[in-house]
Amino acid sequence: EVQLVESGGDLLQPGGSLRLSCVASGFSFSRYWMEWVRQTPGKGLVWLSEINGDGRVTNYADSVKGRFTISRDNPKNTLYLHMNSLTVEDTAVYYCARGGDHSSDYWGQGTLVTVSS
Amino acid sequence: QSALTQPASVSGSPGQSITISCTGTSSDVGAHKYVSWYQQHPGKVPRVMIFDVSTRPSGVSHRFSGSKSGNTASLTISGLQPEDEGDYFCRSFTTSSTYVFGPGTTVTVL
Repeated sequence: EVQLVESGGDLLQPGGSLRLSCVASGFSFSRYWMEWVRQTPGKGLVWLSEINGDGRVTNYADSVKGRFTISRDNPKNTLYLHMNSLTVEDTAVYYCARGGDHSSDYWGQGTLVTVSS
Repeated sequence: QSALTQPASVSGSPGQSITISCTGTSSDVGAHKYVSWYQQHPGKVPRVMIFDVSTRPSGVSHRFSGSKSGNTASLTISGLQPEDEGDYFCRSFTTSSTYVFGPGTTVTVL
């Protein structure tokens, strides 16, 4: 069974930094693109970033380019999202998802990041 | 603000068919076949219902179908059932090698 478990969400002040983690199981992690998507409570989904299986190719939404960094540790089956210079607009639930056929075919339960002064 | 547009809400009676549109541009929806649709029930995680414009993943009901014409993709739900209520989001790959979601459509079964 494919499982994705995010962690690292926290309450922090504007300007702060945070690293989210996503531990994957139930599939060959290194063979799949992985993604981060966020959702503001009660609102829509926003695609943030993706990384290919060997970690050499990454893509970012313009809204987070230069502030967020996606990475992965394949031996640990873990995906990361490093977030810097956080603002209140970054408050959201952050999901990791498995990329399959240009879609997100499995999602984690999400981790809440709250940025507030 | 989403680069894709969807109606805020669509409703129908049980058994009816409804269609949700997703309009983009020649830089996203119109550029290729990588449009997917996601269903999200309140408090739940999104679930992919359609990928590559019209392909249903294993386990998704045949009542869900997808299509595309030009810069507009569509999701049709046939034989509407109460469990189809929820939010539906389209997503498209873009010519910048990124993805963009639509703002979502709330489906109500009357």
